[in-house]
Parts: sequence; structure tokens; C-alpha cells
Amino acid sequence: GAVVSQHPSRVICKSGTSVKIECRSLDFQATTMFWYRQFPKKSLMLMATSNEGSKATYEQGVEKDKFLINHASLTLSTLTVTSAHPEDSSFYICSAQASPSGLNIQYFGAGTRLSVL
Amino acid sequence: AQSVTQLDSHVSVSEGTPVLLRCNYSSSYSPSLFWYVQHPNKGLQLLLKYTSAATLVKGINGFEAEFKKSETSFHLTKPSAHMSDAAEYFCVVSDRVSGTYKYIFGTGTRLKVLA
Repeated sequence: GAVVSQHPSRVICKSGTSVKIECRSLDFQATTMFWYRQFPKKSLMLMATSNEGSKATYEQGVEKDKFLINHASLTLSTLTVTSAHPEDSSFYICSAQASPSGLNIQYFGAGTRLSVL
Repeated sequence: AQSVTQLDSHVSVSEGTPVLLRCNYSSSYSPSLFWYVQHPNKGLQLLLKYTSAATLVKGINGFEAEFKKSETSFHLTKPSAHMSDAAEYFCVVSDRVSGTYKYIFGTGTRLKVLA
């Protein structure tokens, strides 16, 4: 099956620093990638939709200047949490949708646990 | 807009007994439905998908789900639970929004398997 690699799996940083998370589709091209945030014991909350070569589309309430998304190629999208604060601590998960996709299946990375001190 | 409702936030079963995780959907047209499993601190793994082909869908690890249009349901079942099945399960419907297929997640069901 399709594999999505997400790195790092865990990161601890100081308040005020920026953190970059990478999401790669290893064996398929992904026109569209998605970034989610998951709070403890909760469902996934879509943060933004990322299309290769264009600006990301952010969901309502998500700060685009805080969560910078770049989708530079068909296999790589990055999420940068800028000037991170403790309230940004969370589990971030990316997914990739194969292109062309008639089944709309998303393949998920293993997630990144961000802890901001 | 489409939506899914997972009727149970927690389900406990004994090892070797059947598993039933319930999901109802709301859709104005023929939906694409999915079940994913998430183990602690892990990403989501696709268990199975329904895309308007056979109504009984077989997935990985012995799971299956039946699409019932009359009941707007897509319940997940397994004949015999294994300890390794303990995890969080999400029912998902795919919805086309502004030209992009996005996932709408249920609130999740935590499955506990008792020895």
C-alpha cells in the first residue's frame, strides 16, 4: 500500500522557536496533502489542505501565519509552527491523497508529537 | 453537507468475542465511507473503504463493514476480537468541498479488549 513518511515523530522545543515537520509520500505522487491536529482523546481536526505548487487553504480559525505550509513537490509538504508556544503542543498528523485519485483515499503519516516548553 | 456519527465512544469486549462498532452517516448522495484504526501515538491505518461497489466490504485483519442505505449505516464488525485490536477507530465520510475531497471524521470509538 501507499506509504507516507512523517518526520520527526517527536520534537521538544523552547517557547518562541520554530519547528518544521515534513510529510513525504514515498511511493506515489500526492497532488493534495492535508494537515491535521489531534488533541488528547479527540478526533482529528483538519488544519489545512495543501496542493502542490499553490498556497494552502486553511480551515476557519487556523492562523496561517502561525502554521506555515509549503507543498513544493508532489511528494513533499512541510508544516512549520512559527514562534511556538505551549498551547501549540499537540499531535500533528499529515495525510496524502494519491493523484489521480478516483477513490479519494488519504494515506496518513505516523504523526508528530510536539511539546513546547 | 455530509457527516458521520459514531454511536459509542467506548466499547469493551472479551478476547475471542465479536466486535461491533457503529457508524451512521448523513449524505445527500452516494457517499464514500472509510474505517480507520489508530493505535496510541500512531497515525491512522486504513481498514476498509466503501465506494458504491459491493455493500459488504472486507478489510484487513478480519474486519468487515456493511453499507446499508436504508439505515444510513456503515457498522464495523469482526467475528473474534484479538488483544491487538485494542485501539481507536474512526468512521470517515469523504465530502467534496471547493473541488477537493476532504474527510469528515466521526468522534471515534475506543475499543478495549479484555483478556
